Amino acid sequence: GNSVTQMEGPVTLSEEAFLTINCTYTATGYPSLFWYVQYPGEGLQLLLKATKADDKGSNKGFEATYRKETTSFHLEKGSVQVSDSAVYFCALKDTGNTPLVFGKGTRLSVIA
Amino acid sequence: EAGVVQSPRYKIIEKKQPVAFWCNPISGHNTLYWYRQNLGQGPELLIRYENEEAVDDSQLPKDRFSAERLKGVDSTLKIQPAELGDSAVYLCASSLVLSGRLETQYFGPGTRLLVL
Repeated sequence: GNSVTQMEGPVTLSEEAFLTINCTYTATGYPSLFWYVQYPGEGLQLLLKATKADDKGSNKGFEATYRKETTSFHLEKGSVQVSDSAVYFCALKDTGNTPLVFGKGTRLSVIA
Repeated sequence: EAGVVQSPRYKIIEKKQPVAFWCNPISGHNTLYWYRQNLGQGPELLIRYENEEAVDDSQLPKDRFSAERLKGVDSTLKIQPAELGDSAVYLCASSLVLSGRLETQYFGPGTRLLVL
């Protein structure tokens, strides 16, 4: 079946550090890939998405590239801020009427 | 524009008691989802509605869980009776599904349930 594996947290970084959160997937079809973010006390928000191989999704300084050859969609940001502290979820949606499948989430804490 | 609204935000009950959660989706969204998020895990789909019809409830524990979406707008999710293992965050999401297009799901803040 479909599944998403992302690096375990928590990840603690200093402000302005480089961020990478790894995400790999298994899918039977040709999925679309997503990163969602959950700030404290809030619901999940779509951060970025990519729908086909080599697509790069980007938003708020974050980016991720759909790599079909390595079945990966790693999240990166060149310089994190304290306000980026949140839980980040990688997710996939296979073709057809299929549900979103989420990874377990990675908690990021950015300290000043 | 208002987002997805859920209530209550928190609920503490004793096991074997009933509990209900309410969701008001974004206006105009035809598809509504209920997810359960256990501690340290990602959300898992319980049920998906397209308008009033439940089109995917394969993961809904039907012996104790029920859901409805009257008039294709608001939805309620009920557990009766609740068990200790039902403690989790229950998330509602909505989207506008159009044929052939990838939709974005918008999530509410969730209801955090603690069963004692």
